[in-house]
Amino acid sequence: DTEVTQTPKHLVMGMTNKKSLKCEQHMGHRAMYWYKQKAKKPPELMFVYSYEKLSINESVPSRFSPECPNSSLLNLHLHALQPEDSALYLCASSEQNDEKLFFGSGTQLSVL
Amino acid sequence: GENVEQHPSTLSVQEGDSAVIKCTYSDSASNYFPWYKQELGKGPQLIIDIRSNVGEKKDQRIAVTLNKTAKHFSLHITETQPEDSAVYFCAASSTNAGGTSYGKLTFGQGTILTVHP
Repeated sequence: DTEVTQTPKHLVMGMTNKKSLKCEQHMGHRAMYWYKQKAKKPPELMFVYSYEKLSINESVPSRFSPECPNSSLLNLHLHALQPEDSALYLCASSEQNDEKLFFGSGTQLSVL
Repeated sequence: GENVEQHPSTLSVQEGDSAVIKCTYSDSASNYFPWYKQELGKGPQLIIDIRSNVGEKKDQRIAVTLNKTAKHFSLHITETQPEDSAVYFCAASSTNAGGTSYGKLTFGQGTILTVHP
């Protein structure tokens, strides 16, 4: 299994809603990532988890809250988002200390 | 920090022609250079990568070349097919002093490749 699975594929939420994005991989990778991608732009790193511990936070606003319950799962909890947070949110994984990233198909988020 | 410039931003070729996309990077410590292909509605997919101890790497119709002195690397696609149409991103990263790397890639701005039948 070489897939990174993200759910949901699409999400529409209001600025007062709380929602969560989910990511799962079964490749035994111990590093997992959240990236944000605006239309026609490259992905931008948000968070990195290494062995289920947060190792990098790229100064992301606190309305985005990541969680890594176990080595296969990665969540991104969303609260009080702004319309400018609308984007494609990509999850990725890699072996520890390896830059080869495997990306999921992303969640297309629209904040109204 | 690292800065990666990618050209051209759009590239249109006829089926069967070759396509070349070029990237330059700024940080001489960068030592890993992947290329990703992103199709509409999908996440980026790694198609080829090269490390700084290698000058060229080939995988069927795809090749990547690296010039460390000039700090640039290129993607070459031969015998293009309509299914090669996508957005292509180059990226660069470096291993930190502790020998660890967290996939902290710096991406180029992307090239929209269109292959006309």
